Amino acid sequence: GAVVSQHPSWVICKSGTSVKIECRSLDFQATTMFWYRQFPKQSLMLMATSNEGSKATYEQGVEKDKFLINHASLTLSTLTVTSAHPEDSSFYICSARAGGMRGEKLFFGSGTQLSVL
Amino acid sequence: RKEVEQDPGPFNVPEGATVAFNCTYSNSASQSFFWYRQDCRKEPKLLMSVYSSGNEDGRFTAQLNRASQYISLLIRDSKLSDSATYLCVVNPSGSARQLTFGSGTQLTVLP
Repeated sequence: GAVVSQHPSWVICKSGTSVKIECRSLDFQATTMFWYRQFPKQSLMLMATSNEGSKATYEQGVEKDKFLINHASLTLSTLTVTSAHPEDSSFYICSARAGGMRGEKLFFGSGTQLSVL
Repeated sequence: RKEVEQDPGPFNVPEGATVAFNCTYSNSASQSFFWYRQDCRKEPKLLMSVYSSGNEDGRFTAQLNRASQYISLLIRDSKLSDSATYLCVVNPSGSARQLTFGSGTQLTVLP
């Protein structure tokens, strides 16, 4: 079964609204989670690294005030797209690194398709 | 130059065909390499790791040429269910943060 749960799968919203996406590790603790964005026919681009209990690390060109990340527990990270605009429409995917018996594998959430009207 | 480059395709092949995808990477210090499969609007799923000695998993064979900074994936006896986008993924440093994804090669297997 899925070890990383991401919700919602689809979001359609009006321009100017904020959208929150949740990423949960279901059967392991993830001190680090990653958020990616993927535009059609393009590669996954890392947006930020979410660290439990501390501030996220954002990649160059990603606005931290627009893409708010909260990693308040070892199993949950959230990405909030604030004041979304049509150009923010994209596929957002989270991933979490699992160690121990899972051997430092990277597990992906199922993704969230965001459409901003 | 992109860090990881792939032929975007699309590749349209008949069932049973053999198809090969290529990928080049720019960072000669890259340490680990993977092929992921991604279905439309789904998360990427690890297909196989790629080792210097080459490795095979059923109908799938992956090869790595460090000197040429080149990775390949061969699919034999293509099935309809193989239709997907195949992502070449390179990890330069061993840190999960550093995973660099190619833009993918789209494969459609036709009946």
